[in-house]
Amino acid sequence: DTGVSQDPRHKITKRGQNVTFRCDPISEHNRLYWYRQTLGQGPEFLTYFQNEAQLEKSRLLSDRFSAERPKGSFSTLEIQRTEQGDSAMYLCASSFRTGGRETQYFGPGTRLLVL
Amino acid sequence: GQNIDQPTEMTATEGAIVQINCTYQTSGFNGLFWYQQHAGEAPTFLSYNVLDGLEEKGRFSSFLSRSKGYSYLLLKELQMKDSASYLCAITTDSWGKFQFGAGTQVVVTP
Repeated sequence: DTGVSQDPRHKITKRGQNVTFRCDPISEHNRLYWYRQTLGQGPEFLTYFQNEAQLEKSRLLSDRFSAERPKGSFSTLEIQRTEQGDSAMYLCASSFRTGGRETQYFGPGTRLLVL
Repeated sequence: GQNIDQPTEMTATEGAIVQINCTYQTSGFNGLFWYQQHAGEAPTFLSYNVLDGLEEKGRFSSFLSRSKGYSYLLLKELQMKDSASYLCAITTDSWGKFQFGAGTQVVVTP
């Protein structure tokens, strides 16, 4: 399978714990995005990378959230001191810009439940 | 501000046609995408419009009017497997960051 992969698929944690998610994009894609989705809503943009550079962070992303893409390939999203409001599906997408068009391909997501 | 509106839910019969509307008010426009999302799964790409008009791809067609801030996704010959949420997403600048609507849940009945 050469699609976007995410790990873990599910995570249950207690409030106050730290969690880290991983995303492996499609290999030739230079852009990587993180979104958060809650039930009945569309995905909300969190942050994105072009190669290893983090180019934009949403105001939704508090200081407890940090993302990295150290070698321009896989990315990690860490949430420190988790809160119940962090419970959501965390989606990763990757894309490659060609001819002015960019289609994002999504991974299966990591579903986080904070107790 | 940015605003993307879609109906919350639509129900249709197998074999019928359903049209899902999406209206948007954004500070810029660089393209409109439609994605399909089955429950608990990732969104999958359906269509892309950047110029006015109709794009047809098999049973799915998407239409865009930039002057009206309006798009629709047309699903023909509905099948039970088409029961899913359909997400309208806008890119407003050259970076490709998506702004999504809340999605329209389509329920296909026998």
